[in-house]
Amino acid sequence: QSALTQPASVSGSPGQSITISCTGTSSDVGSYNLVSWYQQHPGKAPKLMIYEGSKRPSGVSNRFSGSKSGNTASLTISGLQAEDEADYYCCSYAGSSTSHYVFGTGTKVTVL
Amino acid sequence: QLQLQESGPGLVKPSETLSLTCTVSGGSISSSSYYWGWIRQPPGKGLEWIGSIYYSGSTYYNPSLKSRVTISVDTSKNQFSLKLSSVTAADTAVYYCARLGIVGATNAFDIWGQGTMVTVSS
Repeated sequence: QSALTQPASVSGSPGQSITISCTGTSSDVGSYNLVSWYQQHPGKAPKLMIYEGSKRPSGVSNRFSGSKSGNTASLTISGLQAEDEADYYCCSYAGSSTSHYVFGTGTKVTVL
Repeated sequence: QLQLQESGPGLVKPSETLSLTCTVSGGSISSSSYYWGWIRQPPGKGLEWIGSIYYSGSTYYNPSLKSRVTISVDTSKNQFSLKLSSVTAADTAVYYCARLGIVGATNAFDIWGQGTMVTVSS
């Protein structure tokens, strides 16, 4: 099972919106509405930002939103802030007969 | 508030077995809504799911590591453990334990430990 494909880097100015894509296959992203997104600051553990494609855990800012179309999931950060600068990873359930869970390659978000 | 804490040796020799334990505090490992998992991250690289376990002992593993991985649970100690055999330098990574919500919960890794760095070197 190959890692999901994400852009290596995305940047934006404060206040702008950015979108990070996460491309999988019909065996993972395309088959299940079970994509999650994680934010990771340097030297820290990942933090869950979005689950089940578009749901936010309690305490996560509503500036973060998720969506899916076909085999590609997306994370949008609106009103970009300096503290959003971090690495972001997507993850998808891939079924019980395969790898179960597969992560994305990761995207470095830079706030200009 | 639920917390997870990894523990174990930070240095393992090649060909030996890596052993880590995750202690769950502030909640029970025997909850029906969650699995418990291990994820690793080599230096400067991305995340890789290793495997997960239910409190009953039911497990599933990443096929790429399955032949070398064993995950077990001790509900009396509120802990679960990882063993990775025949390690090489490629197994050098930060190892995280995490709670995995399942049906009725988040269906995601919603609480993570701080991570522990394991280096494979002689």
